[in-house]
Amino acid sequence: GENVEQHPSTLSVQEGDSAVIKCTYSDSASNYFPWYKQELGKGPQLIIDIRSNVGEKKDQRIAVTLNKTAKHFSLHITETQPEDSAVYFCAASRRGGGADGLTFGKGTHLIIQP
Amino acid sequence: NAGVTQTPKFRILKIGQSMTLQCTQDMNHNYMYWYRQDPGMGLKLIYYSVGAGITDKGEVPNGYNVSRSTTEDFPLRLELAAPSQTSVYFCASSWTRDTQYFGPGTRLTVL
Repeated sequence: GENVEQHPSTLSVQEGDSAVIKCTYSDSASNYFPWYKQELGKGPQLIIDIRSNVGEKKDQRIAVTLNKTAKHFSLHITETQPEDSAVYFCAASRRGGGADGLTFGKGTHLIIQP
Repeated sequence: NAGVTQTPKFRILKIGQSMTLQCTQDMNHNYMYWYRQDPGMGLKLIYYSVGAGITDKGEVPNGYNVSRSTTEDFPLRLELAAPSQTSVYFCASSWTRDTQYFGPGTRLTVL
């Protein structure tokens, strides 16, 4: 089955700086890669996703890049703000066949230092 | 539009007790999922359903059962609670097989 590795487990950055979180996946058939943000005591919330026919996607201060050859994808947050502090999860899945559901990484605790 | 709702928010069980975690979505999504999240870990898929009357096992199904009699509801049943089932449980739903929307979770402790 799919295996998703996520690094780092904790990331501390100064407010206003950029943050990058990286994930690798094992199943070359995976073709959908979402990123979720989880605040304390809440369920994960989708912040951005990318499909395998696209190399990069941006949404304001957030961007995701995908390298299918290397089987890794990354989340980039620019101009970080205190409200960006949370746990971020990457995930992978294979649309259209096989077992359903997302395979998640273990999460990155992002801390924004004032 | 409430999205995905889960009840209860918290529950403490004794070993061997049983309970049902409720999940309801009002988005008319066909796909529904149950995940568990252990401390410092990502979410792991327990069971999923692609529509009413259809369910299938995920990565960690042992000790759990599900049913899907309606599009809206997808309850998760624990028959004989064990300490290893102490976790936070999340229900999710999706219109297609990718973008999933999560509920707020149920924090379960088995003592």
